[in-house]
Amino acid sequence: EVQLVESGGGLVQPGGSLRLSCAASGFTFRSYWMNWVRQAPGKGLEWVANIDQDGSEKYYVDSVKGRFTISRDNAKNSLFLQMNSLTAEDTAVYYCAREMIVVPTDMDALDVWGQGTMVTVSS
Amino acid sequence: DIQMTQSPSSLSASVGDRVTITCRASQYINSYLNWYQQKPGKAPKLLIYTASSLQSGVPSRFSGSGSGTDFTLTITSLQPEDFATYYCQQSYYTHTFGPGTKLEIK
Repeated sequence: EVQLVESGGGLVQPGGSLRLSCAASGFTFRSYWMNWVRQAPGKGLEWVANIDQDGSEKYYVDSVKGRFTISRDNAKNSLFLQMNSLTAEDTAVYYCAREMIVVPTDMDALDVWGQGTMVTVSS
Repeated sequence: DIQMTQSPSSLSASVGDRVTITCRASQYINSYLNWYQQKPGKAPKLLIYTASSLQSGVPSRFSGSGSGTDFTLTITSLQPEDFATYYCQQSYYTHTFGPGTKLEIK
């Protein structure tokens, strides 16, 4: 079964740090771009970051640039999000998502999602 | 950055109705447009990719159309399980989601 399982969420004080993990199984992890998407309570979806298959290309939404770092360990089928200098605006459920490529185009979509992990930034 | 808008923001409909949700991109995105369904407390689910392709396992009452900047998601013959929030998303340059359309039971 294709599966993504996030972990690492919790309560953190403003200015603090947190590292999220996403464990992948049931597919060849190293063959896919991977993403983090978040959703603040009662709000819509916000794409946060993505990373290519070998970790050499990374992209971020402007609001997290310089504070968040996406990375992966293909040997351990794992995706990570290091979050620093957290603020209340970062409070959200964080989802990891697999990016499928629509062959033979270069179009893509997020076809597999984890269940999410909640991050709460509060004093 | 590419901005996405959706209309309406909410919609009331009855079982059996046909509904259409519109999504607009702030610039040309070809067919780099996907649609997702999300139910409360659950992860989003991919419905339509590349504007009009039905994801495997998704019922054929869902369809998508459009190209360039204007797109639509149509659900024919609404079923009880279709009441949810729907998001469009562009993948032309990184990713951006629309604000969502909440589909409620009338």
